[in-house]
Amino acid sequence: DQQVKQNSPSLSVQEGRISILNCDYTNSMFDYFLWYKKYPAEGPTFLISISSIKDKNEDGRFTVFLNKSAKHLSLHIVPSQPGDSAVYFCAASARNNNDMRFGAGTRLTVKP
Amino acid sequence: DTGVSQNPRHKITKRGQNVTFRCDPISEHNRLYWYRQTLGQGPEFLTYFQNEAQLEKSRLLSDRFSAERPKGSFSTLEIQRTEQGDSAMYLCASSLNPSLSPLHFGNGTRLTVT
Repeated sequence: DQQVKQNSPSLSVQEGRISILNCDYTNSMFDYFLWYKKYPAEGPTFLISISSIKDKNEDGRFTVFLNKSAKHLSLHIVPSQPGDSAVYFCAASARNNNDMRFGAGTRLTVKP
Repeated sequence: DTGVSQNPRHKITKRGQNVTFRCDPISEHNRLYWYRQTLGQGPEFLTYFQNEAQLEKSRLLSDRFSAERPKGSFSTLEIQRTEQGDSAMYLCASSLNPSLSPLHFGNGTRLTVT
């Protein structure tokens, strides 16, 4: 029952360019979406979130876009830096449900 | 803010043994979650506490798994009669009310069942 899907297991970009990570979901009850970053041997770290009343949220180099009609969200990182190299997880939850669902992750490599 | 703390970091056990993990959440967080992550997958929800009350359990959670949060602070996750399929990273997370708050994860306990 994969309600949150990240179809690209890996992405490689050049330093300074834009990284775009994509996520699709199937449950129309989801109303809160998050991106997490994970380094090896550490737990996931919260990066940025967006509620369903918005279609864009920006925090420094990170912007999350939400397209509710397409049930799609994306994370843009610009400019990308080598320190951004990590696994990125998309997550979603519904207001009345405490079961936050995660995608399988996308491994981002930013090359110097 | 010392973050979410989990112990031990690693646990190797033989099949059939019982194991117990501990999680200390961020002190002002009243919500506590347990997740499990296997290689190549995202974290999977296991169970959730609000204060000391266990309010939700995943259907993934077999009856060999039990979690407690006796005083609404730290939590323990026990696995009885471990199986090789239990090998995974067990992640604890905590959050504030209201419900639309991010989860803050610990660094996990990696369990290997031989």
